[in-house]
Order: sequence, then C-alpha cells, then structure tokens
Amino acid sequence: DVKVTQSSRYLVKRTGEKVFLECVQDMDHENMFWYRQDPGLGLRLIYFSYDVKMKEKGDIPEGYSVSREKKERFSLILESASTNQTSMYLCASTFNTEAFFGQGTRLTVV
Amino acid sequence: KNEVEQSPQNLTAQEGEFITINCSYSVGISALHWLQQHPGGGIVSLFMLSSGKKKHGRLIATINIQEKHSSLHITASHPRDSAVYICADRNFGNEKLTFGTGTRLTIIP
Repeated sequence: DVKVTQSSRYLVKRTGEKVFLECVQDMDHENMFWYRQDPGLGLRLIYFSYDVKMKEKGDIPEGYSVSREKKERFSLILESASTNQTSMYLCASTFNTEAFFGQGTRLTVV
Repeated sequence: KNEVEQSPQNLTAQEGEFITINCSYSVGISALHWLQQHPGGGIVSLFMLSSGKKKHGRLIATINIQEKHSSLHITASHPRDSAVYICADRNFGNEKLTFGTGTRLTIIP
C-alpha cells in the first residue's frame, strides 16, 4: 500500500513560533503537495514540488516555505506562526493519475 | 481558471436511501477524483475517472466528459457512509488538483 505519512495529527503552537510540518511518502513519487483545508473554502494549494530541491508556489504561499531535500520527504515551514494559520494541513503525492493523501495535521496557533 | 463545483453542500438521508452527489468542472480534464474524508481529517481516494463509469461495492462513479459533469452514487446507504465527499480534477499537462468544497453526507439510522 502507498503510504503518505504526516508527522503529527494535532499540533498546538504559539504565535511567532517556527513550525515544521513533515510529510513522508514511501513510493518514490516525484510530485508532492501541501494543502490547507478551511470550512467553506475547501482544499487550497500552498506549495508543490516536482522533484528534489524543486518547489513552486501554489495559490496561497504567503507565510509559508517548503523544503524537499530528499525525494520521500516534503516539509512545510511556517516561519512565524500566526493565528490565521490555524487550519487542517494535508499532504499529498501523485503518480500518473493516482493521488494519495496523508491523514492531516490539525494545527492550532494560539 | 478551472473551477470545480459540488452539490449539494450538505445532505442528510435515512439509512438505505440512494444517494447522489454531483460535481461540475469548467475546463477539460485528464482525470477526476472522488475522495472521502471522515471526521478526524484523513482523506481516502475512492475513484479516479477519465471516462465512463466505475463501481466499487455500493459506490458508483460516473463521468460525462462532454457535459463536464461527474456523479457519485451510494446504494443502500449506511451510517458509516457519513463523511465529506470531495471531487477534484486534474487538467491536461498539469499535476495539480483543483478541489470542490465538498459535500457533507449524514446517514441517519
């Protein structure tokens, strides 16, 4: 089975903290994505990566950065967490027309 | 800009009822996905369609490429089917998925 694993299910951080959300996939997929999910807005793309060390901005990249040093790992970084970044974060990887998702990280910034 | 619209946004039904959730998209696609999200957040891929119809157990997904429309049907619905159902499409030459806002389905025993 393909697995996309996110490091935490629930996370509580303070305003101003630097936050790392980790995503690992075990199927050698080239494409990986970070989304956030908010009520009424659905899933919105933050950043994606087509390969190691390659990254592209999605629709809402402000306040976020990413890192892809190894093919299997795609990290989302909140440089200075703010309360408006409280959300559900979902990682995904794709291969051909298949899409696989992590279990989500619910981040609360207080 | 590609847009994906789902209807209804919320659906409550009695156990055993036949359920239909609709998805419309605005530009040509290479694939359409139906996803299921249970409380707690994890998303599971149910179907990937590029044409025609697929069936898995009590779930059936259809797509009409000319009308840019897809439907997800659930036969003999059960309370464990209660979840948010999301459609997402991928355009030709583009790996990114565009998502609908989801349909919250509640099946009452």
